[in-house]
Amino acid sequence: EPEVTQTPSHQVTQMGQEVILRCVPISNHLYFYWYRQILGQKVEFLVSFYNNEISEKSEIFDDQFSVERPDGSNFTLKIRSTKLEDSAMYFCASSEVLRGSGANVLTFGAGSRLTVL
Amino acid sequence: QQPVQSPQAVILREGEDAVINCSSSKALYSVHWYRQKHGEAPIFLMILLKGGEQKGHDKISASFNEKKQQSSLYLTASQLSYSGTYFCGTTTGNQFYFGTGTSLTVIP
Repeated sequence: EPEVTQTPSHQVTQMGQEVILRCVPISNHLYFYWYRQILGQKVEFLVSFYNNEISEKSEIFDDQFSVERPDGSNFTLKIRSTKLEDSAMYFCASSEVLRGSGANVLTFGAGSRLTVL
Repeated sequence: QQPVQSPQAVILREGEDAVINCSSSKALYSVHWYRQKHGEAPIFLMILLKGGEQKGHDKISASFNEKKQQSSLYLTASQLSYSGTYFCGTTTGNQFYFGTGTSLTVIP
């Protein structure tokens, strides 16, 4: 079954450093997303990406964050100058639109755990 | 915009039933249900699109009320493998919002 893959599975970084989290979405999916889940809390929407540009972003997704699709397969989340509160699990997802419904069904990757020290 | 779920947490013995509710103040375009086990990605369970729809597979089913403001997930004869956090969710434009989540623990 097709899956979304994320790397790294766990990254430890020092406060102020930049991190790049990588995702390979399902090949025929057109919509890509990043979500964040702080330990024990809800899953929060960060950004959605379609047609090589950001289509929606949340209040959390400020200038510290950026997304790119550097080639035809990878989808990256860059976090500049990390802060302690950026420690979380970051999930990538991709989706296709259900035929006849217009509804997106998301498939999530296993997540990248970011620990900022 | 985030749907509200109830209860926040529930503990069941194997074989017992549970109902998880998901409510919104506005009509939803669709409602999705996901289950997340600790430390893992949310896994898609099902999607409901129409008011009055009911859908299910195995012992897990869901309903979507006529006004499309409430959905319920029904877990019958629960198994240990059902433990996890259940999220409803909905799409708005190109955003997908998760509900507040319900932690379900099934004990022997």
